[in-house]
Amino acid sequence: TQLLEQSPQFLSIQEGENLTVYCNSSSVFSSLQWYRQEPGEGPVLLVTVVTGGEVKKLKRLTFQFGDARKDSSLHITAAQPGDTGLYLCAGAGFGNEKLTFGTGTRLTIIP
Amino acid sequence: DTGVSQDPRHKITKRGQNVTFRCDPISEHNRLYWYRQTLGQGPEFLTYFQNEAQLEKSRLLSDRFSAERPKGSFSTLEIQRTEQGDSAMYLCASSLAGLANSRFPETQYFGPGTRLLVL
Repeated sequence: TQLLEQSPQFLSIQEGENLTVYCNSSSVFSSLQWYRQEPGEGPVLLVTVVTGGEVKKLKRLTFQFGDARKDSSLHITAAQPGDTGLYLCAGAGFGNEKLTFGTGTRLTIIP
Repeated sequence: DTGVSQDPRHKITKRGQNVTFRCDPISEHNRLYWYRQTLGQGPEFLTYFQNEAQLEKSRLLSDRFSAERPKGSFSTLEIQRTEQGDSAMYLCASSLAGLANSRFPETQYFGPGTRLLVL
């Protein structure tokens, strides 16, 4: 069974601060996706990383896929209240279309 | 709005009743997934279809659960004899599957979900 653990589970920081969320597994994934979910809504895709060591930037968000494709991180620079939400990582296996989701990180940015 | 719609958005039912949810995927997408998300957890895979064929079912999908995608377009998820433990958000996602062994990952687009409360 593939498991993804995210840390921290909860994070509350002041506007303007930087933060990093981690997604770790003992399994190798063919790709890893990061989603953000608002209360009462479905997850919305932020990014997909495919290659070990890959780094992708989306404005103030930087995503990294570990060299061994077992872990990933999400770094937010100068956090804003609009960044508040549940951040989920999800891994896709090789030849296995379903996504395995992490436990989620609930982020709150305090104005 | 991702283009995936789900109906109803909310459902309250009494234990023992049957409920049915509908998912309309993005029109050209050939794959459709159902996930379940309980409070404070990430979504868990239930089942998926490629066109009208149901290709995989999770152990989470007990005999009381059945899913269909009769024409390869919309899908329904039915829960019979609901239990309080079935209370959760039921999420549908769709994707366009490319060629086998494609180096490009498949992207799943999620609907807004149906929140079920079993009393």
